[in-house]
Amino acid sequence: GDSVTQMEGPVTLSEEAFLTINCTYTATGYPSLFWYVQYPGEGLQLLLKATKADDKGSNKGFEATYRKETTSFHLEKGSVQVSDSAVYFCALRGRGGGNKLTFGTGTQLKVEL
Amino acid sequence: DGGITQSPKYLFRKEGQNVTLSCEQNLNHDAMYWYRQDPGQGLRLIYYSQIVNDFQKGDIAEGYSVSREKKESFPLTVTSAQKNPTAFYLCASSTSGLQDYEQYFGPGTRLTVT
Repeated sequence: GDSVTQMEGPVTLSEEAFLTINCTYTATGYPSLFWYVQYPGEGLQLLLKATKADDKGSNKGFEATYRKETTSFHLEKGSVQVSDSAVYFCALRGRGGGNKLTFGTGTQLKVEL
Repeated sequence: DGGITQSPKYLFRKEGQNVTLSCEQNLNHDAMYWYRQDPGQGLRLIYYSQIVNDFQKGDIAEGYSVSREKKESFPLTVTSAQKNPTAFYLCASSTSGLQDYEQYFGPGTRLTVT
């Protein structure tokens, strides 16, 4: 079945540092890929998405590129802020019909001054 | 403002009692979902519904039940058969169809069963 693997957290960075959160997936066919963010005590918000190979999703300074050859969708940001502290989830939507998402376990990011 | 509401934010129950979690949306979405979130395990799909009066089991449906009598509402009942009910429960909704429609999430309900 479909699965998503994320790097374990927490990831602790200083403000203005470069961020990478790794995400790899297993799925049949060509899934769509997503990054969601969860701020403390809240639900999830879509951060960015990519629907086909080599697509780059971007939003709020975050980027991720759909790499079919390495089955990866790593999240990057050039300069993190304290306000980016949250839990980040990688997810995929398979091609089996419906709009069901398979989530990774989440990576907590802590940004310090 | 359009969105998804879940109530209550915190819920406490005694073991052996059924409890129903509320989820309401005013986004005019056809599809609704229930997820369970546990520390270190991400989100797991409990049930989903793509249209009124129809719903399907997700990956961890045992011990849960749902109904979809209205487009706006998708309540989840955690029954006494659920062995580990303490968790954070998230409801989501989306437009249904073949495209990649975004799922919008509610703020969640934290259920504690003792």
